[in-house]
Amino acid sequence: EDKVVQSPLSLVVHEGDTVTLNCSYEVTNFRSLLWYKQEKKAPTFLFMLTSSGIEKKSGRLSSILDKKELFSILNITATQTGDSAIYLCAVDVNDYKLSFGAGTTVTVRA
Amino acid sequence: SQTIHQWPATLVQPVGSPLSLECTVEGTSNPNLYWYRQAAGRGLQLLFYSVGIGQISSEVPQNLSASRPQDRQFILSSKKLLLSDSGFYLCAWSFGDTQYFGPGTRLTVL
Repeated sequence: EDKVVQSPLSLVVHEGDTVTLNCSYEVTNFRSLLWYKQEKKAPTFLFMLTSSGIEKKSGRLSSILDKKELFSILNITATQTGDSAIYLCAVDVNDYKLSFGAGTTVTVRA
Repeated sequence: SQTIHQWPATLVQPVGSPLSLECTVEGTSNPNLYWYRQAAGRGLQLLFYSVGIGQISSEVPQNLSASRPQDRQFILSSKKLLLSDSGFYLCAWSFGDTQYFGPGTRLTVL
């Protein structure tokens, strides 16, 4: 059975702090790993990673994949209150299926 | 550009009542379509996916069913709701490796 585990489950930080979120996986067939941000409603797409060691960056967010150790991290630098959300990690295991982790809830206090 | 709609946004239903949630996608043709459920504090659980009209695959056996009567329409149904059906239901579409989510329906079964 495919497994995607995110840690920590939740964390509280202050504005300006740096946050590192972890996602480890054990799947039968790895195609790619995706990160989503979920605020009130629909998850919005952040990154898709397919190759080890290549950092993807978007503003203050960055992510990297290690296919040997089977994990990915998502970093958020200089956090703002608008970064408060649930961050979801998902692994694409075939043409049709994403296996999701339980998510990490990030709360950024002013 | 592509957009995905879901309705209703919220729904409160008594146990034993029927359910019909609708999802439509605009701006693309022949997308893969998905129904997910997200219970409080948990990740997304894939319920159904469809690769074309009339083609439905079920990931989790339960009292829910799905139909795809048109290319860009996906419907989630139940004949008799259970308390455990409460949750946040998300529809998604993909054309390639990335899935994009609709705004979701919050269902409360009382």
